Amino acid sequence: DAKTTQPNSMESNEEEPVHLPCNHSTISGTDYIHWYRQLPSQGPEYVIHGLTSNVNNRMASLAIAEDRKSSTLILHRATLRDAAVYYCILRDPNTGNQFYFGTGTSLTVIP
Amino acid sequence: AAGVIQSPRHLIKEKRETATLKCYPIPRHDTVYWYQQGPGQDPQFLISFYEKMQSDKGSIPDRFSAQQFSDYHSELNMSSLELGDSALYFCASSLHELAATDTQYFGPGTRLTVL
Repeated sequence: DAKTTQPNSMESNEEEPVHLPCNHSTISGTDYIHWYRQLPSQGPEYVIHGLTSNVNNRMASLAIAEDRKSSTLILHRATLRDAAVYYCILRDPNTGNQFYFGTGTSLTVIP
Repeated sequence: AAGVIQSPRHLIKEKRETATLKCYPIPRHDTVYWYQQGPGQDPQFLISFYEKMQSDKGSIPDRFSAQQFSDYHSELNMSSLELGDSALYFCASSLHELAATDTQYFGPGTRLTVL
């Protein structure tokens, strides 16, 4: 699977939007972009995923660059409960359904 | 809604002992994945099963084996435990026909400590 690059850590003030970037310059045409997050001492939790178009759900928005070589997870209003490690993962359904987690971004939310 | 159940939640073993971790997927989910997360590390894929057959294999040591049963629950068997096996072990489940684009639902994990 193609690799992703994320900043090791980011900070955000509570109630403000957060933009978490992810670079995936070697993404293939069949790779889906998945975002999961892991709160302390918990299992990873699904956030959002997309292929080409921007996606919105109740948790977040996913903005995908036109060339698909990067994407941004947007949390519209950060809360203290959003403090977690956020993983950007590429998955090609043709090569298996497991996830290969890279080094995610540890988000700190400042009250 | 029912979630993935893992048991036990905590397990303490001595070196060279064996351990069995159990995973009960979300009802109707037919695919199970196992991940290992060492201290301060990111989750690493071990193995997955679909319809009781191994579907994909990751970095699972030869000392470990796993299987999926007819009720879709899965067990991870770990033998000759080493100190380095101390980790959180997560199980995830999904519905195979949607697995390509659908989400995986993770359990709370089993924390294994090897002394």
